[in-house]
Amino acid sequence: GAVVSQHPSWVICKSGTSVKIECRSLDFQATTMFWYRQFPKQSLMLMATSNEGSKATYEQGVEKDKFLINHASLTLSTLTVTSAHPEDSSFYICSARPLGPTDTQYFGPGTRLTVL
Amino acid sequence: AQKITQTQPGMFVQEKEAVTLDCTYDTSDPSYGLFWYKQPSSGEMIFLIYQGSYDQQNATEGRYSLNFQKARKSANLVISASQLGDSAMYFCAMREGGGETSGSRLTFGEGTQLTVNP
Repeated sequence: GAVVSQHPSWVICKSGTSVKIECRSLDFQATTMFWYRQFPKQSLMLMATSNEGSKATYEQGVEKDKFLINHASLTLSTLTVTSAHPEDSSFYICSARPLGPTDTQYFGPGTRLTVL
Repeated sequence: AQKITQTQPGMFVQEKEAVTLDCTYDTSDPSYGLFWYKQPSSGEMIFLIYQGSYDQQNATEGRYSLNFQKARKSANLVISASQLGDSAMYFCAMREGGGETSGSRLTFGEGTQLTVNP
């Protein structure tokens, strides 16, 4: 149980285009999902916290107009990188926290974005 | 100040031996949770073990145990009987505040690359 999927697993796009990444909890409901970014050889950095039915909370320094987050249902959150540039190339990972009194987050397999 | 510190960028261990990965944390919140995750080269984050700040006993999960020393603010991961498949990056993470109210935001350390030699 507690499986989180991400789609796509990797994407290559041209500079200036937008890319949408989906994060789904497959066998549980999640009111809260998190989006992280990880550069090579570095740690995970939280970008934003996404709550179902409300606006995402962005971490300091993360541009909300560039990284659009939508949490439309209890099993789906999307991250759209708008007007992508080469410096946005990174590994994007989502995680989901199940409903109820639990502390554990379950992570998706990640999406590797390369912007040419 | 760093909230989570992993001082070992890389560690090597012989197969079948035990290894300890260090993690220290900094928080003034009395309620917090500590996590260890494994990240193999494929990139997925695999949950290993959890320790709550109020837990009286050290957490254990199979070959993984967490050496929780609250006064020293350390939460070291011990892997017993290392296997070749244990080679990966290991991250320590902390959730501050009660999970229900804090939204479970995690802060990660820089990670330790573990290599298990045959």
